[in-house]
Order: sequence, then C-alpha cells, then structure tokens
Amino acid sequence: EVPLLESGGGLVQPGGSLRLSCAASGFTFRNYAMTWVRQAPGKGLEWVSGISNSGGSTYHADSVKGRFTISRDSSRNILYLQMHSLRAEDTAVYYCVKASSGWYEDAFDVWGQGAMVTVSS
Amino acid sequence: QLVLTQAPSASASLGASVKLTCTLNSGHSNFAIAWHQQQPEKGPRFLMKISAGGTHNKGDGIPDRFSGSSSGAERYLTISSLQPEDEADYYCQTWGTGIRGVFGGGTHLTVL
Repeated sequence: EVPLLESGGGLVQPGGSLRLSCAASGFTFRNYAMTWVRQAPGKGLEWVSGISNSGGSTYHADSVKGRFTISRDSSRNILYLQMHSLRAEDTAVYYCVKASSGWYEDAFDVWGQGAMVTVSS
Repeated sequence: QLVLTQAPSASASLGASVKLTCTLNSGHSNFAIAWHQQQPEKGPRFLMKISAGGTHNKGDGIPDRFSGSSSGAERYLTISSLQPEDEADYYCQTWGTGIRGVFGGGTHLTVL
C-alpha cells in the first residue's frame, strides 16, 4: 500500500492550468497537515504550499502565491493543488508530503512518489 | 532568515562510515531538523528528526546504521557500514513558528 499517491501531472502550455491530486491511505488523514514540495530537474527541494489538518489555514510560497491553491477533502482522504497561470519555471516533480502534526510548520515524515509537471509550448 | 547549509558532496568507501553535516545559521542554533534521503530516480524518504539536544526519532523501517546527533548549530547524520544503496542525495529540513519548509541544498553521497 502506497501511503501517498499523486496524479494529474502532465504537459501544459504556459499560462495554462492543471490540478494535482494526492490520495492518502494508511493513516488518519484528517489529523495531519499536508504540504506540496517540488523539485525542478537537477535541483533541490522547494516547499510550495501547506494546509493545516482542519483545512482552516493555508500558506503558499511567494513564488506561487496568487496562482496556486492548496485544498483538501478529508472525507475522501485527498489533497489537491490547483495551479493556474503556469510558467516554464513551474516545471518540476511535485511531491505530496505529510507533516508530522496537524500544523504545516513541522517535520515532513511521509513522501509521495511524485507527479511530473512540464510547462512548455 | 533561517538558512540551512550543507556540503554539496561527500564520499566514503563501501563498509565505512560517513558523517554528513547540516548547519543552522546564526541565531537559530536551537532548531530541530529532519533528514531526508533521495535515492536516484526516487522520491525522498524521511530518515529522522533531530532535536537541538541530539535526540533523534527515526522513521519506520530506517536501519540502525543511520543515526543522528547535534552540536551547537550543527546537526549530523551518521551512516555506518555503508551499502551501495546509501548512494543518494541527503537533505535537511527545518521549521518553526512562521518558518515553513526550509530545506538545505542537499549533499550528494558517493559510495566508493
């Protein structure tokens, strides 16, 4: 059983939109904050967005603020990342990551396998 | 601003030990960190969390060969009895009130 499974990645033109999903299993999803972390080709890890366990608090990195929205459906154990106005520099593998508590300002302790997003014309 | 510094690369021989370092910048020496391993073509995996006092809490299934410690502003990951599968990138991560998802630049470990 894979605890975090991303889907929805693909090729999109600059200015386009894409929605990533992450299906969670094997833990009580509603108890934990969740985050998205991305990794551009050949580069390090960059934290993108976080959402508290209740969904009542979210935060986005400055690089994506106003363009990306993180959300969750705890009745279905799914995390989302809605991405608009995509740019070439958003090209990366996007990882769904579980925080170790209900708040996203904490250690990350479970990683998904990643979804590739390519922004190109 | 909180910054984590890691050496870009390290190497050690098969069966030997290696100690990787993650350094917190001035004024942040009391922060805990987490270590994550990323093997080639795979997603990262959580290894352990290390407190300023050196206490470490490992992730599920992490071998005893992996251990952590602290000294001042430095956090360490020690891998003993190096195996070929330990060749990977190692990232440290920290957090705090108002501090979200800060990662070090990563250390690429080569097993000779």
